[in-house]
Amino acid sequence: DVKVTQSSRYLVKRTGEKVFLECVQDMDHENMFWYRQDPGLGLRLIYFSYDVKMKEKGDIPEGYSVSREKKERFSLILESASTNQTSMYLCASSLAGMSSYEQYFGPGTRLTVT
Amino acid sequence: QKEVEQDPGPLSVPEGAIVSLNCTYSNSAFQYFMWYRQYSRKGPELLMYTYSSGNKEDGRFTAQVDKSSKYISLFIRDSQPSDSATYLCAMSSYFGNEKLTFGTGTRLTIIP
Repeated sequence: DVKVTQSSRYLVKRTGEKVFLECVQDMDHENMFWYRQDPGLGLRLIYFSYDVKMKEKGDIPEGYSVSREKKERFSLILESASTNQTSMYLCASSLAGMSSYEQYFGPGTRLTVT
Repeated sequence: QKEVEQDPGPLSVPEGAIVSLNCTYSNSAFQYFMWYRQYSRKGPELLMYTYSSGNKEDGRFTAQVDKSSKYISLFIRDSQPSDSATYLCAMSSYFGNEKLTFGTGTRLTIIP
């Protein structure tokens, strides 16, 4: 059974804190993604990675950075959390090439920044 | 204007009804169309995938693409309470393009 796991289901942080969200997949997928999901705005891509140590900006990368040191792990970093980063964060992975349309998602991390 | 528009609902229908969910899009380069289903407190999962125009059927689900109108639909026949979820359309312009463009999702409730 394929699996994408995220380090926390719920997280509460203070404004200005550095926040790490971790994602691990066990499917040997090349591609990994970080999205945020907000009511009325849907899923928006923050960053994605198509290989170890490679990253590409998505549609809303401002205020975020990522790290992929190992194939199975993709981390999202909020350098200085702000209240407008309160959201549901979803990690996903997919195979490269022809099957890349099928993304497997984790359960999400609901982050609240106060 | 968003590239992909989807009515957020909520949509409530009685059990056994036919459900129609729709998305419109503006980017004529989109050729690959997907429907994802997201249950409450879970991540989305792929439900259907179609390429270019036409229909695709999988059990009680039918995906339809009309590229001339830039309009895609998902039909659910004999709807069940277990179909209650948020349905997101997603699109891509070419095979191997890792990036998908998602609609905002339609929340569907099937009333027993």
